Amino acid sequence: TQLLEQSPQFLSIQEGENLTVYCNSSSVFSSLQWYRQEPGEGPVLLVTVVTGGEVKKLKRLTFQFGDARKDSSLHITAAQPGDTGLYLCNAGNNRKLIWGLGTSLAVNP
Amino acid sequence: EAGVAQSPRYKIIEKRQSVAFWCNPISGHATLYWYQQILGQGPKLLIQFQNNGVVDDSQLPKDRFSAERLKGVDSTLKIQPAKLEDSAVYLCASSKGRAWGYEQYFGPGTRLTVT
Repeated sequence: TQLLEQSPQFLSIQEGENLTVYCNSSSVFSSLQWYRQEPGEGPVLLVTVVTGGEVKKLKRLTFQFGDARKDSSLHITAAQPGDTGLYLCNAGNNRKLIWGLGTSLAVNP
Repeated sequence: EAGVAQSPRYKIIEKRQSVAFWCNPISGHATLYWYQQILGQGPKLLIQFQNNGVVDDSQLPKDRFSAERLKGVDSTLKIQPAKLEDSAVYLCASSKGRAWGYEQYFGPGTRLTVT
């Protein structure tokens, strides 16, 4: 069974702090995506990574895909209350799409 | 362009009753997904359509859940009879292609409460 493990499951920090969340698997993936979901809404795509070792930046968010394409990290610099939400990773291979359980982030003013 | 539309937004039913959800994907998107999401957790894929054909329904509880996508556009998901554990948000998503790496566009979801 292919699994995507996300850690930590919950994270509560103060505005201005930095944080990193992780998405790990024992399987190799062709691509991996990060989504953010706010309460009452569907997930919204943040980034897609496809190359091992790839690093992508989106304003204060930095995404990295592991060299072996089995894991990924999301680093947020100087977190803001607007970053609050559920961060989900989604990966695919062999025509299967798999979702992690998510990291619930709360950024307190 | 218009996003993925879902209705109803909320539904409360008693156990053993039936319920149906409707989804209208983004125009031109060939792939449509139905997910079940328990509060605070990631989505669980129930069924994936490519046009009007089923690509993956391995996690669909077929004894009580059914879905169809007639004409390859709109889709309906039905639960009959509902159980307490079916209480969840049901998300519909669509994408241009069926392979991994395509962006999935989600609707706002239908929150189902089974009492």
